[in-house]
Amino acid sequence: NAGVTQTPKFQVLKTGQSMTLQCAQDMNHNSMYWYRQDPGMGLRLIYYSASEGTTDKGEVPNGYNVSRLNKREFSLRLESAAPSQTSVYFCASSDFRSSGRANEQFFGPGTRLTVL
Amino acid sequence: EDKVVQSPLSLVVHEGDTVTLNCSYEVTNFRSLLWYKQEKKAPTFLFMLTSSGIEKKSGRLSSILDKKELFSILNITATQTGDSAVYLCAGVDNYGQNFVFGPGTRLSVLP
Repeated sequence: NAGVTQTPKFQVLKTGQSMTLQCAQDMNHNSMYWYRQDPGMGLRLIYYSASEGTTDKGEVPNGYNVSRLNKREFSLRLESAAPSQTSVYFCASSDFRSSGRANEQFFGPGTRLTVL
Repeated sequence: EDKVVQSPLSLVVHEGDTVTLNCSYEVTNFRSLLWYKQEKKAPTFLFMLTSSGIEKKSGRLSSILDKKELFSILNITATQTGDSAVYLCAGVDNYGQNFVFGPGTRLSVLP
């Protein structure tokens, strides 16, 4: 049981390049999320997916696209990277329909992205 | 606009001290308040609080929610150097979709 996995762990891009961050969870969770974390700003939600086949914008969606490929996988794409997208990106999942610890989010290890 | 505010943003204490971290929230259709500990990597879950006035405890950590005043506190007693971390709180709505995180409190515990 790996929990939430993310690839890659580190990435350096040049301005204008594109890339996809991959995320997968093996906990059979319905909901998945992408956050970015910048110093002093906590976690900011980029996009989330309540269930397979649905995606919604979060607080900071500009410059990103997402795909909920299936229940396990949720990818984040930067079509044309900009230096302002230098950040640490976290994927998370939760199963808010459950009782008890519903709404707890489980986080992946993060991807440190630098855009030059 | 939904927001979560934490205070203090940074705190330095010595081992054995007791600390109180504060979190106030404004979240539409609020359901729960969550606390996380973040060391060098991903946040790890500490508590979820849904009901007002019921303290949750785990070892030296405890937390309580006041839904009338829209705030929560996280207490750590007899702090240890291993408690050094950023502590995040987040408000989540009734649909379990909108997680709003605060900026975190960076706690440093000196030996």
